[in-house]
Parts: sequence; C-alpha cells; structure tokens
Amino acid sequence: AQKITQTQPGMFVQEKEAVTLDCTYDTSDPSYGLFWYKQPSSGEMIFLIYQGSYDQQNATEGRYSLNFQKARKSANLVISASQLGDSAMYFCAMRESNTGGFKTIFGAGTRLFVKA
Amino acid sequence: NAGVTQTPKFRILKIGQSMTLQCAQDMNHNYMYWYRQDPGMGLKLIYYSVGAGITDKGEVPNGYNVSRSTTEYFPLRLELAAPSQTSVYFCATAREGGELFFGEGSRLTVL
Repeated sequence: AQKITQTQPGMFVQEKEAVTLDCTYDTSDPSYGLFWYKQPSSGEMIFLIYQGSYDQQNATEGRYSLNFQKARKSANLVISASQLGDSAMYFCAMRESNTGGFKTIFGAGTRLFVKA
Repeated sequence: NAGVTQTPKFRILKIGQSMTLQCAQDMNHNYMYWYRQDPGMGLKLIYYSVGAGITDKGEVPNGYNVSRSTTEYFPLRLELAAPSQTSVYFCATAREGGELFFGEGSRLTVL
C-alpha cells in the first residue's frame, strides 16, 4: 500500500549549517514520483523539489537536494546553508503513476526551526 | 493567470448544515485533488480526479462528495457537517508527471 513516513516531528538547525529531513516511503508501483513541499506559517504550500523513480541522478534545486536511495525507499531532503526564512513545516509526498491513478499522498511533516 | 482559486476562504457552519467548497483552475491540468489539513498535521487526501467525469476516493472520503463535470472545476460537497470536519481544505492541480499547484486554502469551522 502507498505510504509516506516522516519520523522527525521537529528539527533544529543553526543558521548557515546544513540539515537533512527524513522521508521513507512504501509502494509496489515501479513508477512513482517524490516531492517536497514547504509550508511557512502563512499557510501556503510551496513546491521545492521533485524526484522521479526512474531518475538516475539525485534532484537538486538551488540549496535543496534530494538524497534518493531507491533500495532503501528513502527520499531525504537536504537543505544547505540554512537561513532564518527556512523555518517552516516540510512535507514529503509521493504520487504513484501506474496503480495509484496519480493519487498523491503526504507525510505528517517535519517542523524545522532555524536558530540565529 | 489565477492558477487555482478556492472559495470561500473562511466559513463557519453549524452542525448538520451542508456546503460546497469551490475550486477552479485555469491551467488546463487534468489532475485535481482535495486535501484537508488539521492543525499541526499533514495533508490528508479526500478525493481526487484524473480528468473530467472521473473521480476517486482518497484516504479520508467519508462525509464528502465531489464531481468533475469539466476540466476547470472540482467542487467538494460537505453533507451534514460535523465538528470533526473543522479543518483547512486545500484544492490542488497537477499535470502528468508534474508537481502539485495549490490554492490558498479554505478554513472551515463547524460549531
């Protein structure tokens, strides 16, 4: 069954340091996509990064990179050089393409606190 | 481009009332989704649609109904509102293989 797990309810990081937010998933669909979203306190959902199940290289977008380990079914988000504005909720999401009818589900989220 | 437009932004309902949350998109995306987000929690999928005339249940469909007669609109109907339906509701769209685009959310309180 399609499942997304984020085991870190909250994380603290010092400004300018890197932080890794964990995400594991479970699916029997060979074709799927993994997403990370940021939700600041204002409530909007901001797309950060995408990784397809057949992509050979880890996705990167500016300070965001996705550490994709397919055999371990993990898709951790790495934020480099943290900034105070990175303080927010972060959600991992997965979409199954073949068996799930493009159903997209989210993990419970990790709240990131960046300290000055 | 408006993107994904949700109305209303705020609504207070009494127990047992019904209402429809509206979602409209102008991006010509086939895939549309309704999520609810309870305070401090993640997003739970209520219903989704892969095209006009096709809808399917998500993780938490009970108490809700949807329809998708056109590509642009994907309304969510709440029948017999209950306090457990107090939440923020997000509508989202996507093209095949692409990321979700979210509306601003609709905050619903059932008293």
